[in-house]
Amino acid sequence: QVQLVESGGGVVQPGGSLRLSCAASGFTFSHFAMHWVRQAPGQGLEWVALIWYDGSQRYYADSVKDRFTISRDNSKNTVSLQLNSLRVDDTAMYFCARVQGKAVGGSDYWGQGTLVTVSS
Amino acid sequence: EIVLTQSPGTLSLSPGEKATLSCRASQSLNSNFLAWYQQRPGQAPRLLIFAASSRATGIPDRFSGSGSGTDFTLTINRLDPEDFAFYYCQQYGNSPWTFGQGTKVEI
Repeated sequence: QVQLVESGGGVVQPGGSLRLSCAASGFTFSHFAMHWVRQAPGQGLEWVALIWYDGSQRYYADSVKDRFTISRDNSKNTVSLQLNSLRVDDTAMYFCARVQGKAVGGSDYWGQGTLVTVSS
Repeated sequence: EIVLTQSPGTLSLSPGEKATLSCRASQSLNSNFLAWYQQRPGQAPRLLIFAASSRATGIPDRFSGSGSGTDFTLTINRLDPEDFAFYYCQQYGNSPWTFGQGTKVEI
C-alpha cells in the first residue's frame, strides 16, 4: 500500500534551518510529482512547493520562495524540503503529498505530517 | 495568483441531510483542474474529487463535484456522522497552486 512518512520537524529559532524528508513506499515513486503542503495551528491548508516526477521543474509559493528548496532522490524514494531563514509564521504541520500524475493533478496520498515550530 | 473563495464558512446540518459547498475562483481554471479534500481533526487531508467532478478511488458516491470555469460545487448527499469535517477546494492548473480557506460542516 502507498505510504508517505515525513520526518525532520522540530523546534528551531527564527533565522534557523531545518531539513524535512518524506520517505515513499508502495508505488513507483519516479512516476509521480510530489508536493509539500503546510497547515499552521488552527488554520487552513497552504501549498508550499511542487517538484515534477523527474525533478526537472520546481515551483514555490511566494511566501517561501528563495528560502525553501524542494528536491527528490528517485533512487531512494524520498522527497525533501530544505527550510532556511525560518520565521515565526513558518510554524506549521508540514505534509508531503503525492500528485496523481507526473506534473499535475490532485494529491491522492498524504503523509501524517511533521511539525515545525519556529520560536525563540 | 488564483484566489479561491469558499462559502459558507460553516454549515450546520444534521445526519441524513444534504450539504452544498461552494468554491469560486478569481479567474477561470485551466481544464477544470479543481480538487476537493476532506480533513478531519488531527488527520491529513483526503482527496475526494479531482478534475472538478471525478471521484477519487474509494470515495462513496454520496460525494459529487460539479462546475466549470470559476464556479464549483461539492455536494454531499445523506450526510453520514463521519462526514462532519473541514472541506477544502484546491486549484492545480496554475502555479502557485492554491487552496480555499475551507468550509466546516458541523452537526
